[in-house]
Amino acid sequence: SQQGEEDPQALSIQEGENATMNCSYKTSINNLQWYRQNSGRGLVHLILIRSNEREKHSGRLRVTLDTSKKSSSLLITASRAADTASYFCATDYSGNTPLVFGKGTRLSVIA
Amino acid sequence: ETGVTQSPTHLIKTRGQQVTLRCSSQSGHNTVSWYQQALGQGPQFIFQYYREEENGRGNFPPRFSGLQFPNYSSELNVNALELDDSALYLCASSLVSFPRSDGYTFGSGTRLTVV
Repeated sequence: SQQGEEDPQALSIQEGENATMNCSYKTSINNLQWYRQNSGRGLVHLILIRSNEREKHSGRLRVTLDTSKKSSSLLITASRAADTASYFCATDYSGNTPLVFGKGTRLSVIA
Repeated sequence: ETGVTQSPTHLIKTRGQQVTLRCSSQSGHNTVSWYQQALGQGPQFIFQYYREEENGRGNFPPRFSGLQFPNYSSELNVNALELDDSALYLCASSLVSFPRSDGYTFGSGTRLTVV
């Protein structure tokens, strides 16, 4: 079963705009991770945020975590056509348990 | 050697046959996880191996089995293939740490088609 649920399922924006994707989960976590997947290929780890962190940045990526609402958001600023991909959140309960993935958000950035 | 390597990249099998998928973990990683990803869905956890022992399993039947070898490479075996087994199979390696500081490193996957 899927632990995280991403929202929206699909998002289409113009190049240069910001893209925001949300993830909700059901139970307490140790950390939450975001991954990117280009069409039909393997997943690439983007960023990990621990349960005691509220915000984290990496380049054009900004991730927030609200454990009281059991939700996270991924913001991609100044999007590029190359950002077109599916984005997944994955929850980790204890640091030694398997990651549980959501269904993903399909992002299309139009040049 | 860096990165996770999976083989083969594509495979077509007939219903009822058996298949073995292979994965070479990233150097220094001691845990390997296998995921099944149907078209348009997120990856579903199959099982995880830590130091050659299975230490977690998802909701998959026993005909899905695996092995992890001393060099941390791994195999996923599926017996009695069904049409619904058609999917992208992903292998991911990681290093167990408390707390976790890094994500998984995924291979490019094996696309299995069962006809």
